[in-house]
Amino acid sequence: DIQMTQSPSSLSASVGDRVTITCRASLHISSYLNWYQQKPGKAPNLLIYAASSLQGGVPSTFSGSGSGTDFTLTISSLQPEDFATYYCQQSYSAPFTFGGGTKVEIK
Amino acid sequence: VQLVESGGGVVQPGRSLRLSCAAPEFIFSGFAVHWVRQAPGKGLEWVAVISHDGSNEYYADSVRGRFTISRDNPKNTLDLQMNSLRGEDTGVYYCAKDRVAARNSHSYGLDAWGQGTTVTVSS
Repeated sequence: DIQMTQSPSSLSASVGDRVTITCRASLHISSYLNWYQQKPGKAPNLLIYAASSLQGGVPSTFSGSGSGTDFTLTISSLQPEDFATYYCQQSYSAPFTFGGGTKVEIK
Repeated sequence: VQLVESGGGVVQPGRSLRLSCAAPEFIFSGFAVHWVRQAPGKGLEWVAVISHDGSNEYYADSVRGRFTISRDNPKNTLDLQMNSLRGEDTGVYYCAKDRVAARNSHSYGLDAWGQGTTVTVSS
């Protein structure tokens, strides 16, 4: 099974900050990497698919990069509504494992 | 929210529970559908997927042999039969649809989710 390691597990940032979250796969997964945002009590929401493609309706302040085993989610200017938990997920082969999550909190 | 889960509840360890997920045809038809769960205060855990036509199923190691995923395409419903339940199966269970109507073994991201149904395994 492919293991997904996300870092950091949490971070504190201010509105307007640039935030970067990383995700590493234990095997090569090409660009089969997705990013989700989850707010408390809500279902996850797909932000980025295929490592770098923005899902419809997602602000352009979100971007993704990487391929192979190393991936990055960047929020270019953190907005109040962006404080949430973010997860990566590999979709290369089942089981389609998630990373452990990164909680973005207000500094 | 366009997928609707049901069937959650409180169940004793070792017992069974069946979850269901309903969706409009335009969402359900032609797409692989997944179950994802989240234990209280924990991260997301992928559980199982079934292909668009029900011919292929894959499971997480933690549930393989105990859980069975199935779908009824004419009724646009997805089920998760959960047997031999354990305390660590407690959590919110979400159904979610794959973004692409693919015919290979990859997933392409989960772009529509239900609101979740809560399962509590406790004596």
